Amino acid sequence: NAGVTQTPKFQVLKTGQSMTLQCAQDMNHNSMYWYRQDPGMGLRLIYYSASEGTTDKGEVPNGYNVSRLNKREFSLRLESAAPSQTSVYFCASSSRTSGSGNTIYFGEGSWLTVV
Amino acid sequence: GESVGLHLPTLSVQEGDNSIINCAYSNSASDYFIWYKQESGKGPQFIIDIRSNMDKRQGQRVTVLLNKTVKHLSLQIAATQPGDSAVYFCAENGAGRRALTFGSGTRLQVQP
Repeated sequence: NAGVTQTPKFQVLKTGQSMTLQCAQDMNHNSMYWYRQDPGMGLRLIYYSASEGTTDKGEVPNGYNVSRLNKREFSLRLESAAPSQTSVYFCASSSRTSGSGNTIYFGEGSWLTVV
Repeated sequence: GESVGLHLPTLSVQEGDNSIINCAYSNSASDYFIWYKQESGKGPQFIIDIRSNMDKRQGQRVTVLLNKTVKHLSLQIAATQPGDSAVYFCAENGAGRRALTFGSGTRLQVQP
C-alpha cells in the first residue's frame, strides 16, 4: 500500500529559483495537507485542501502556492525560494474534513535546502 | 491562542521499562487527540488516538490518558524497546478545525 507519496525526496535550490513538490494519495481521502517541519520543532500547516477544488491557508502560507489537481494530487509550489524555506515538507491526507476523528496520514517527507 | 506543548524535550529510559510522555494543550474546545511517532528520516506515523468523551484508551503496548480538567494528555509505552526510540508528537483537533495542531515533540531514547 503506497499511502501518501511525495516527490522529490531531496532538493537543493538557489535563492530565487522556483520548484513544485508533488503529492499523491491512493486512500481516496477527501482532505490533503502540506506541513513544514523545522529542526527541533513540530509540524506547521502551510495549506490544506478540504476537498477537490478547494484550498485554504494554514499557519504559515507566505511564499507558497498550492494546487489541488484532482482528488488524488495536491502540489506545493515555491515561486521564489528563500533560505527561510529550507525545511522538511510533509504532505498528508485524511478521510474526514474536520474535527473529531480526523486522523491525518503522512508521506515520507521532502528535504528542501535553499542556498 | 491555541497551543499544544510537551513538558520534556528528551526522555531516556532503560529497555524493558515503561515510558510516559506528557503533553499539555490549551484549547478547551479540543475534542480529538492523536499521538504520532516519527523515526529519523521518516514521516510521522499514527500510534493511537482518543476522543474527549474518553479518559483512557489502550492499544498494543501503548495507552493514552486524557485529563480534560487540567488539559493534559499522556502516552504510556509498556516494556519499552529499542525500536520505540523516536520523536513523539501529540496533536489535537476540534469542531470546525480542519487540520491538526501539533506539539513540538519529545525525543524518546531507549538505552539497552
